[in-house]
Amino acid sequence: GESVGLHLPTLSVQEGDNSIINCAYSNSASDYFIWYKQESGKGPQFIIDIRSNMDKRQGQRVTVLLNKTVKHLSLQIAATQPGDSAVYFCAGRGGSYIPTFGRGTSLIVHP
Amino acid sequence: NAGVTQTPKFQVLKTGQSMTLQCAQDMNHNSMYWYRQDPGMGLRLIYYSASEGTTDKGEVPNGYNVSRLNKREFSLRLESAAPSQTSVYFCASSSGDTQYFGPGTRLTVL
Repeated sequence: GESVGLHLPTLSVQEGDNSIINCAYSNSASDYFIWYKQESGKGPQFIIDIRSNMDKRQGQRVTVLLNKTVKHLSLQIAATQPGDSAVYFCAGRGGSYIPTFGRGTSLIVHP
Repeated sequence: NAGVTQTPKFQVLKTGQSMTLQCAQDMNHNSMYWYRQDPGMGLRLIYYSASEGTTDKGEVPNGYNVSRLNKREFSLRLESAAPSQTSVYFCASSSGDTQYFGPGTRLTVL
């Protein structure tokens, strides 16, 4: 199976700063990781994913980095905006096609 | 496309009552899932259905039953609700790697 955990329950940043949200996983055989964004009162929404044969993937204002040596991944959000305020979850897939979710980091963006 | 829809949005039950949470998707996805989300916790898998006609237990199945009625619909039933089942319930569907989530049902059991 897989166990994933986020390092910080809350991250506060100023509007315009870059945000980095970290996540650790336990299963070295995990082959696929996903980041989700959950706004208040809504279901999780897919942001970006990365497979274990990659170490970096970029989207629009977001970058995911994967370090398989230390079993760590991070989500970087460039030029953070108030609309980025949400809870961010990482999920990892290892041994099953169904991902296991971490506990979430609440990102608070101050204007 | 509505994506994944869930009903009801909110529900209050008394201990021992039963109810069914409904979920439907219009994306023609094979796989569907039920999760619960508790404060400070990630999503925990209750049951899933890899395809029409099959269902399997997830991490926390006790106290729940499911029915994959057809390809579109996947319902979650609480036969005798307990306060420990107070939670937000999310349904999801997938075809391939990406899961798409519904808006959730907030359930309170008194």
